[in-house]
Amino acid sequence: DTEVTQTPKHLVMGMTNKKSLKCEQHMGHRAMYWYKQKAKKPPELMFVYSYEKLSINESVPSRFSPECPNSSLLNLHLHALQPEDSALYLCASSPGQGTLWGYTFGSGTRLTVV
Amino acid sequence: SQQGEEDPQALSIQEGENATMNCSYKTSINNLQWYRQNSGRGLVHLILIRSNEREKHSGRLRVTLDTSKKSSSLLITASRAADTASYFCARANFNKFYFGSGTKLNVKP
Repeated sequence: DTEVTQTPKHLVMGMTNKKSLKCEQHMGHRAMYWYKQKAKKPPELMFVYSYEKLSINESVPSRFSPECPNSSLLNLHLHALQPEDSALYLCASSPGQGTLWGYTFGSGTRLTVV
Repeated sequence: SQQGEEDPQALSIQEGENATMNCSYKTSINNLQWYRQNSGRGLVHLILIRSNEREKHSGRLRVTLDTSKKSSSLLITASRAADTASYFCARANFNKFYFGSGTKLNVKP
């Protein structure tokens, strides 16, 4: 299995809702990442998990809460989002933390906040 | 900014032609990687070139790196309609990538 699977593919949520994005990989990768990508912009790093521990938080607002329950799963919990948080959320993984390897990206969750 | 520039922002060619995209950066890098993104989808890793390498090939892809000029180029030979996508270079420094704004390639059949 050489894929990163993200669910759901699309999500529409209200500003008072709580929702979660899910990411799964079975490649034995020990680093996992959340990126946010606005339309016609490059991906922006949000969080890095290494060996299931949060390693990097790029000063992301607390309405985004990451969780890594085990080495294969990465969640992003969403609460009280704003319309400007609408974007494509990408999960990625790599054998270890850092940039020595290419990252494997999931196909993303298209989030719309209404 | 460590991001540098990518050019052109958009490129439209006929099927069978070659496509060249350029990427520049401002600070030192460990390696530089190229990714492809089909519309609204995830990124696909294409090729990685280390800072001590000058050229690398993978199928129809050829990447060059000139550390003295702080620039890299991606050449796609004999392009196909399926190559239509956005191409990003990722400048790798320590633990983080710096993605450029990308080149949008349109290959017309």
